[in-house]
Amino acid sequence: NAGVTQTPKFQVLKTGQSMTLQCAQDMNHNSMYWYRQDPGMGLRLIYYSASEGTTDKGEVPNGYNVSRLNKREFSLRLESAAPSQTSVYFCASSEMTANEKLFFGSGTQLSVL
Amino acid sequence: DQQVKQNSPSLSVQEGRISILNCDYTNSMFDYFLWYKKYPAEGPTFLISISSIKDKNEDGRFTVFLNKSAKHLSLHIVPSQPGDSAVYFCAASGGGGSEKLVFGKGTKLTVNP
Repeated sequence: NAGVTQTPKFQVLKTGQSMTLQCAQDMNHNSMYWYRQDPGMGLRLIYYSASEGTTDKGEVPNGYNVSRLNKREFSLRLESAAPSQTSVYFCASSEMTANEKLFFGSGTQLSVL
Repeated sequence: DQQVKQNSPSLSVQEGRISILNCDYTNSMFDYFLWYKKYPAEGPTFLISISSIKDKNEDGRFTVFLNKSAKHLSLHIVPSQPGDSAVYFCAASGGGGSEKLVFGKGTKLTVNP
């Protein structure tokens, strides 16, 4: 009964370092998403993948890249981390983009010093 | 420009009483609305939704009301329980799919025993 699994749960980076956040879902969903949540802000979409093999920018894509590795996995990469990317990152999935009912992972708390 | 507004950052109620969480939106193209609930250190989970063709949707203790003319929706929890203490996010979609989902900033509900 895993649902959406994100790794790592916590990460501290220095400015300029790179890292990849991993996400996997076991619900056979077609669509996957990466959101960030900042204090006093709602969830903001970074990138999404409507289906395997496709990715598109969301509201705040700058500084990020994504890879839809297969139907199960969707990774988020920070090539050169900046303090402004300090945030909580959530991966989510849904049956398809027409279905707004999202299933979220438990989040990654990222701090960039 | 915030399209989905939750103007109360926090709300405190007594166990057994009614909790009313409010949400306003500005985009008249929104036609599907959802509430998500988030506990600390967990991802948001879907709670209840409503389509613009309805003005009320009920699921157990949770009822969502939609007033299209006022561009306002509210979530009622009756009776409130301590386990309902969480952050509640209102979200809206304009028919463009889940990649167009817009979230409010959230309201932290505390239910006191």
